[in-house]
Amino acid sequence: AQSVTQPDIHITVSEGASLELRCNYSYGATPYLFWYVQSPGQGLQLLLKYFSGDTLVQGIKGFEAEFKRSQSSFNLRKPSVHWSDAAEYFCAVARMDSSYKLIFGSGTRLLVRP
Amino acid sequence: GAVVSQHPSRVICKSGTSVKIECRSLDFQATTMFWYRQFPKQSLMLMATSNEGSKATYEQGVEKDKFLINHASLTLSTLTVTSAHPEDSSFYICSARRPLGDTQYFGPGTRLTVL
Repeated sequence: AQSVTQPDIHITVSEGASLELRCNYSYGATPYLFWYVQSPGQGLQLLLKYFSGDTLVQGIKGFEAEFKRSQSSFNLRKPSVHWSDAAEYFCAVARMDSSYKLIFGSGTRLLVRP
Repeated sequence: GAVVSQHPSRVICKSGTSVKIECRSLDFQATTMFWYRQFPKQSLMLMATSNEGSKATYEQGVEKDKFLINHASLTLSTLTVTSAHPEDSSFYICSARRPLGDTQYFGPGTRLTVL
């Protein structure tokens, strides 16, 4: 069965520090992977996605993620966090059948210290 | 761009009444729309998949008669919560996918409170 695990419920970093949010997936075939960000009371905004090709993916707002098949991971990184990055981050894997359903991880809440 | 809107953003209703939530793709045609429910501090739970012109496909455990979904056009899907009860209070989020597209674009969500 497909699943996504985000092992960190909360992460707190200081503004200007680097960030890495972990995501592990379980999927039988080549996964289609996504990172979304959700600000309080808002819908989800797509940060980046991986389908194939270069395993280091660049996204919006200075985020990047690296797909590592050997570790079944798709960790999200940012070299320098801004206070506005405080939000909930969701990793997701898509079922690439006709449904295109997304399976979400449980989310990681990022808190940014001034 | 790929903009998805939802209306209303917030709704408060009395127990026993029905509430309709609209999801629109503003700048693209969406063959498929999805409806999610999100409880506080939790992840998104897929409720149903809506394809234009056909019946919605509901996830296991989601009551079809309670959560009525209509996808009458390529830019509009509606979710009607019938005979709402306080336990239906939640954040409802829709998403839309372009024909042959591989990415879901999400609406801003609707906060439903049932008194």
